[in-house]
Amino acid sequence: GAVVSQHPSWVICKSGTSVKIECRSLDFQATTMFWYRQFPKQSLMLMATSNEGSKATYEQGVEKDKFLINHASLTLSTLTVTSAHPEDSSFYICSATTGVTNEKLFFGSGTQLSVL
Amino acid sequence: DQQVKQNSPSLSVQEGRISILNCDYTNSMFDYFLWYKKYPAEGPTFLISISSIKDKNEDGRFTVFLNKSAKHLSLHIVPSQPGDSAVYFCAAENQGGKLIFGQGTELSVKP
Repeated sequence: GAVVSQHPSWVICKSGTSVKIECRSLDFQATTMFWYRQFPKQSLMLMATSNEGSKATYEQGVEKDKFLINHASLTLSTLTVTSAHPEDSSFYICSATTGVTNEKLFFGSGTQLSVL
Repeated sequence: DQQVKQNSPSLSVQEGRISILNCDYTNSMFDYFLWYKKYPAEGPTFLISISSIKDKNEDGRFTVFLNKSAKHLSLHIVPSQPGDSAVYFCAAENQGGKLIFGQGTELSVKP
């Protein structure tokens, strides 16, 4: 299947700093990428939908100024957690689609963010 | 509001036996359901799906059953193999095409 690379896989940062997470589709062009967050023992929650060359669409309750998403090319989307706080500590995962169905949705391996 | 629930966080099964993973949902407007499998340090991968117009879909050792009246679906794996040990997520697709995930069930298949 298609490969989605996500980096870093684990990051620890100080409160107040910003962290950038990258999501790359390695062998296909992804017009749409998705960003999710998962707290322990909870489900993957969709944060935003990112379309190449346009502004991301954020889910209700997700602060767009805090979670900056850039989808500058068909193979790269980035999520920047700005002014991170301990409550932002979570598992962040991206996915990219090759087509119109969710069966063609490929996930990155995720990023565990710990904010001290 | 948890629209998709997997109430069993973990399940342990003996190799060769059947594994049954359950998922409940609350929104009757969901029309497509998917199961994803996740190994440690990897992203989820698509496993099997079912449309709301069906009650069963089978793919090799994997079968998904849908009971719309009960708003319940289940994934059966038979026979279970140690390589099936992973976290399984069920997901429902809403009318906007977005996926709503359950919390996941960690399956452990013991030799």
